[in-house]
Amino acid sequence: QSALTQVASVSGSPGQSITISCTGTSSDVGGNNYVSWYQQHPGQAPKLLIYEVTYRPSGASDRFSGSKSGNTASLTIAGLQAEDEGDYYCASYTIRGTPVFGTGTQVTVL
Amino acid sequence: EVKLLESGGAQVQPGGSLRLSCVASGLTFNIHAMSWVRQAPGKGLEWISTIDHFRGDTYYADSVKGRFTISRDDSKNTLFLQMDSLRAEDTAIYYCAKTMYKRYFDNWGQGTLVTVSS
Repeated sequence: QSALTQVASVSGSPGQSITISCTGTSSDVGGNNYVSWYQQHPGQAPKLLIYEVTYRPSGASDRFSGSKSGNTASLTIAGLQAEDEGDYYCASYTIRGTPVFGTGTQVTVL
Repeated sequence: EVKLLESGGAQVQPGGSLRLSCVASGLTFNIHAMSWVRQAPGKGLEWISTIDHFRGDTYYADSVKGRFTISRDDSKNTLFLQMDSLRAEDTAIYYCAKTMYKRYFDNWGQGTLVTVSS
């Protein structure tokens, strides 16, 4: 199972909105609604931000939102803040009955 | 509050074996699937294995199939990963994660470092 494709880096100024894309195939992203997103700060464990494409777990900021169109899922961060700097990973359930992660996107706040 | 605490990471020679443990607290362990996810130095996340809670069905990434074995002891709220025939490319931080419906990971431990080197 190949990793889902994410752009390597995205940057934005404080207060701006940015969108991170995650491209897969009909065997994963496009084939179900089990896309999730994770935030990882340097030296820390990943943290769940979004599950089942659009849902936020309790404790996750409402500045984070998810969507999907065809084989591509997206994470939007609204009102970018310095604390949003870090790495972001998407993941999807696959037809093999196993999950696969994206390649990761580094977010920089200018 | 859910807490997951991994242990067992160490430096080991190529071809060697290691057993990782993950002790869970703050949850009803025996009703949740659990997984191991690893991250090589400077690299992205890689799912490697999941064990279901119902029948104990196990799932593996191709990269570790036949070499790693996931198991659990529900009486001790503990998840295990037996790693055999270790290779340099297995060097990574290994995270255990509570897994919802085998589809996403809603709680993570802090990880344990495995280094495979002579």
